[in-house]
Amino acid sequence: GDSVTQMEGPVTLSEEAFLTINCTYTATGYPSLFWYVQYPGEGLQLLLKATKADDKGSNKGFEATYRKETTSFHLEKGSVQVSDSAVYFCALMRGSTLGRLYFGRGTQLTVWP
Amino acid sequence: KAGVTQTPRYLIKTRGQQVTLSCSPISGHRSVSWYQQTPGQGLQFLFEYFSETQRNKGNFPGRFSGRQFSNSRSEMNVSTLELGDSALYLCASSLDRGWEDTEAFFGQGTRLTVV
Repeated sequence: GDSVTQMEGPVTLSEEAFLTINCTYTATGYPSLFWYVQYPGEGLQLLLKATKADDKGSNKGFEATYRKETTSFHLEKGSVQVSDSAVYFCALMRGSTLGRLYFGRGTQLTVWP
Repeated sequence: KAGVTQTPRYLIKTRGQQVTLSCSPISGHRSVSWYQQTPGQGLQFLFEYFSETQRNKGNFPGRFSGRQFSNSRSEMNVSTLELGDSALYLCASSLDRGWEDTEAFFGQGTRLTVV
């Protein structure tokens, strides 16, 4: 079945460090891929998405590239800030099951000043 | 533009009781889906409604049910509450113009505590 695997962390970084959170997926067909972020006490916010192979999603300095050959969608940011501290979720959605997101377990990121 | 609104934000219920949670989607969105978030299981899909019809369903017992009204607002109901039902329940809505355009927007969730 469809699934998403991401590094669980927690990840602790100093401000301005480089961030990578790995995400790999298993799915039939060509899913859309997403990164969501959850701040304490909040719901999920869409951070970025990609809908086809080799697409790069980007937002607020974060980037992720849809790699079909490695079934991956790793999240990167060149210089993290304290305000980036949150939980990050990788997710996929298939066209045949619209409205249903398959989530990874989430990665807690803490950035220290 | 108003976001996804979930009410109430917090609930405390006793084992055996039932509970109804409400979700108002973004105006114009016809798809509403529900997720349960717990520390142990992460985010798990409950069900999804589109134009008042349940289109997808996750692997939850029949105690969990939902419905969608003609104005796209949705409710989920949990009967005979168990301690393990304590969780953050998240609702998401999407415009669903086609699968490549689909993005889910989440509400802040309802925190249910069963005692």
